[in-house]
Amino acid sequence: EIVMTQSPATLSVSPGERATLSCRASQSVSSNLAWYQQKPGQAPRLLIYGASTRATGIPARFSGSGSGTEFTLTISSLQSEDFAVYYCQQHNDWPRTFGQGTKVEIK
Amino acid sequence: QVQLQESGPGLVKPSETLSLTCTVSGGSITTYYWNLIRQPAGKGLEWVGRIYTSGSTNYNPSLKSRVTMSVDTSKNQFSLKLSSVTAADTAVYYCASSGGYYSPFDSWGQGTLVTVSS
Repeated sequence: EIVMTQSPATLSVSPGERATLSCRASQSVSSNLAWYQQKPGQAPRLLIYGASTRATGIPARFSGSGSGTEFTLTISSLQSEDFAVYYCQQHNDWPRTFGQGTKVEIK
Repeated sequence: QVQLQESGPGLVKPSETLSLTCTVSGGSITTYYWNLIRQPAGKGLEWVGRIYTSGSTNYNPSLKSRVTMSVDTSKNQFSLKLSSVTAADTAVYYCASSGGYYSPFDSWGQGTLVTVSS
């Protein structure tokens, strides 16, 4: 099983600032890496897939990069609605696995 | 994008079988892969399994001996059965779609809480 490790566990950021979240895979997942946003009481929402492709309706301030084992999600200028938990997930191998999440909180 | 709705009993007794149904609307159940993902309270996400309309399945090895998924194309539904449940199976269970073999989970249901308790 591919283990996904996210860092940091919590990121404190002021509105308008940039946030950079990291995700590492225990073995290569090529570019088959997705990012999800989850707010309290809601289902996760797909933000990025294929490491860098934004899902339908996702604002351009969200961007993803990386390949192989190292990936990054960048939120260029945090808006109030972006404070949430973010999960990475590999969609390359079975079983599909998620990182443990990064909580982006208001500084 | 399709819409998904989970349904099932909110409470299951230990050692019994958890049964959950996902209803698909806004699209054909024959054109996607269908997944179950769960999340214990305050914890992360765990993929449970996936089924295609041909009946082919993939299950998480950690649950494989207890999981069965099925699909009913006439009702636009797919289902999960998880046997011999314990308190560790208490979680919010989500239905989700994926478009292909290497696809992410692009549409999600709202989730349903299943509690295992006597």
